[in-house]
Amino acid sequence: GENVEQHPSTLSVQEGDSAVIKCTYSDSASNYFPWYKQELGKRPQLIIDIRSNVGEKKDQRIAVTLNKTAKHFSLHITETQPEDSAVYFCAALARNTGFQKLVFGTGTRLLVSP
Amino acid sequence: DTEVTQTPKHLVMGMTNKKSLKCEQHMGHRAMYWYKQKAKKPPELMFVYSYEKLSINESVPSRFSPECPNSSLLNLHLHALQPEDSALYLCASSLQSNTEAFFGQGTRLTVV
Repeated sequence: GENVEQHPSTLSVQEGDSAVIKCTYSDSASNYFPWYKQELGKRPQLIIDIRSNVGEKKDQRIAVTLNKTAKHFSLHITETQPEDSAVYFCAALARNTGFQKLVFGTGTRLLVSP
Repeated sequence: DTEVTQTPKHLVMGMTNKKSLKCEQHMGHRAMYWYKQKAKKPPELMFVYSYEKLSINESVPSRFSPECPNSSLLNLHLHALQPEDSALYLCASSLQSNTEAFFGQGTRLTVV
């Protein structure tokens, strides 16, 4: 089955710096890769996603890149702000006996210091 | 309505109790999910319903019993749980099983 690895597990940056979180996946058939942000005590919220027919997608300060050959995808946050502090999860949509399901990475705790 | 709503927000139950978690969405989504999330861990898939039919059961113990009464509602019936079942239970929905999933705010369950 699909396996998603995520690095780093924790990331501390100064406000205004960029942050990069990387994920690798194992199943070349996976074709959808969302990123979720989860603040303490709250629900995971979808912040950006990318499909396998696209190499890069941007939404204001957030961008995601996908390298299908290497089976890895990354989240880039520019001009970080303290409110970006949260746990970020990557995920890959895997096929399971004909049905599709999201497999999550282990999460990255991002801390942005003022 | 662009929300997935879960009730209750918090639940404390004994090991002999029977309780139910409820999830509702009115976005016309045809796939609904139950996830379990322990502290500092990613959400872990339990069940997937697609068009009101159970399509994935991730080998979840029978003390957890899902039910999808209609396309807007998803329940999780709990019976004879163990303390290690204490966790945040998240419901999610998506238009189809291969589109973006939106999560409810979760039910924080404590089994005593």
